[in-house]
Amino acid sequence: DTAVSQTPKYLVTQMGNDKSIKCEQNLGHDTMYWYKQDSKKFLKIMFSYNNKELIINETVPNRFSPKSPDKAHLNLHINSLELGDSAVYFCASSHRGTSGRAREQFFGPGTRLTVL
Amino acid sequence: SQKIEQNSEALNIQEGKTATLTCNYTNYSPAYLQWYRQDPGRGPVFLLLIRENEKEKRKERLKVTFDTTLKQSLFHITASQPADSATYLCALFYSSASKIIFGSGTRLSIRP
Repeated sequence: DTAVSQTPKYLVTQMGNDKSIKCEQNLGHDTMYWYKQDSKKFLKIMFSYNNKELIINETVPNRFSPKSPDKAHLNLHINSLELGDSAVYFCASSHRGTSGRAREQFFGPGTRLTVL
Repeated sequence: SQKIEQNSEALNIQEGKTATLTCNYTNYSPAYLQWYRQDPGRGPVFLLLIRENEKEKRKERLKVTFDTTLKQSLFHITASQPADSATYLCALFYSSASKIIFGSGTRLSIRP
């Protein structure tokens, strides 16, 4: 059973297009995240949702819009794709824990986005 | 702004030796710190968590220390094996700002 799954695994598209990446977790977690990992392997958080509510929204272009239809899903929609958006995008989930502290995160396999 | 630095981009050691990886941060101490392992083409996998009031945590051949005075965490793998070769990431969690910061990782290679 896959704990955190993402689709697609690879995404190749032209500049200016709009694309979505889907993420689902079957761990019963209440918090989900999107990360971007660039070519230097630096993993940077983009968004975090707790019970479908946005709790972390780092400085990312507003072309990126997360959507959480329910606690088990957090999708990432990207408008007007640019060359610099090429990276690996990881979805993750965790329990929120006591005092609002997040616990260990479970990551999906990643989606490699290539913008041509 | 908060910064996190992992001491070296790559570390090469002989099988059987202890590998020691360093994670340094600036400014505020996090509520807790985590270490992850990442293999090529895969997502990070959680290894250990250590809280701000803890000095040391162990799990099998792994040991993590946390020194809030030095603003540093050390990650040790004893009796290292070639299968331990991977990239290791440290991550800081700040509960007040619900902020999460990952280091850029150290690529560890264990040679037979």
